[in-house]
Amino acid sequence: ETGVTQSPTHLIKTRGQQVTLRCSSQSGHNTVSWYQQALGQGPQFIFQYYREEENGRGNFPPRFSGLQFPNYSSELNVNALELDDSALYLCASSLGTRNEQFFGPGTRLTVL
Amino acid sequence: EDQVTQSPEALRLQEGESSSLNCSYTVSGLRGLFWYRQDPGKGPEFLFTLYSAGEEKEKERLKATLTKKESFLHITAPKPEDSATYLCAVQDDKIIFGKGTRLHILP
Repeated sequence: ETGVTQSPTHLIKTRGQQVTLRCSSQSGHNTVSWYQQALGQGPQFIFQYYREEENGRGNFPPRFSGLQFPNYSSELNVNALELDDSALYLCASSLGTRNEQFFGPGTRLTVL
Repeated sequence: EDQVTQSPEALRLQEGESSSLNCSYTVSGLRGLFWYRQDPGKGPEFLFTLYSAGEEKEKERLKATLTKKESFLHITAPKPEDSATYLCAVQDDKIIFGKGTRLHILP
């Protein structure tokens, strides 16, 4: 059974640029959720995708957008990067929208 | 406003010294409460799901319990490898995480 994978591991961007982060869900899972985790804080919910449709969104601006593909992998896109976007971005997959989520190792984004 | 509060923020214990971590929550309709362990620089690792008051789950030295307002993660005779940040999350129509408790077990 393959776990959740994320790419890239680390990324450095400058303010105003755009970034795409990728996530492959665990085998058999149809739901992907994205989180932002600042240092010393708990993960903050960005949005969730269930069977290629957005199924809930946290308090993040529209420049945070996402996609889920037919194989249930997912992308997180962030436009017009700001310094405060520097964080660990976590992807989690689950079977259904209410079950326990299994997390990937995260992508560390630094915005200069 | 839905909230999840974990206490203490940090806890240092001697190896073998049992203790409990607290997660208190206010949500309109609890659909599940989750406990995770997170090591530095890594993604959270799933530990337990609790759905209703009175429910208990155990795994090795860890035991999670749930009431209508809070959950406890009891750690019995901890070892240094139990050192990590423990995160609590609750789900109503979205998942809300607490800030975590940083646990350090001294050998």
